[in-house]
Amino acid sequence: AQSVTQLGSHVSVSEGALVLLRCNYSSSVPPYLFWYVQYPNQGLQLLLKYTSAATLVKGINGFEAEFKKSETSFHLTKPSAHMSDAAEYFCAVSLYSASKIIFGSGTRLSIRP
Amino acid sequence: DAGVTQSPTHLIKTRGQHVTLRCSPISGHKSVSWYQQVLGQGPQFIFQYYEKEERGRGNFPDRFSARQFPNYSSELNVNALLLGDSALYLCASRPDTGTGGGGTGELFFGEGSRLTVL
Repeated sequence: AQSVTQLGSHVSVSEGALVLLRCNYSSSVPPYLFWYVQYPNQGLQLLLKYTSAATLVKGINGFEAEFKKSETSFHLTKPSAHMSDAAEYFCAVSLYSASKIIFGSGTRLSIRP
Repeated sequence: DAGVTQSPTHLIKTRGQHVTLRCSPISGHKSVSWYQQVLGQGPQFIFQYYEKEERGRGNFPDRFSARQFPNYSSELNVNALLLGDSALYLCASRPDTGTGGGGTGELFFGEGSRLTVL
């Protein structure tokens, strides 16, 4: 069975600092991996996805993530945080033929001025 | 182009009542999924429908049911509401392949229906 674990329910960084949100996955076969963002009182928006092509995936708003099979990780990074990045971030996993995507518990990102 | 639309956006029910939530997918998307998001947690999979057939079901009691209509819109029904059913219910659509499988898996979410059970 697939699962994801997000390390840290809350991360706080200063504006302009590096953002690093951690995600580890568990899957018996190569999975598809996703990062979604949720702003208050809104649905989820896809930031980026890994589908077995390039291991370094670039997404919207300057975010990127690197798939590391040896570490079963898919951490999300952004070189310089902006106030507008404050939101809840979810890592998720699925298999090609699966009917569902499994989400982690989320990491709330706060940005300090 | 319109995104995934859900209605109602907010509703309040009392224990024991039933509720119907509605979802219209993005035009051309034949697959609709429902997720429950309890405050402070990640979304939990409830159902997936493709071409009006149930293709997946999460670990939810039989009080939860859904259906998909010929125009690919969908309803989620919850009977005998409990306090624990209070949550944001998210609908998502995706451009599945002809097999109804995950394809690249990307989901497009609506803004949700926030249900409060008193």
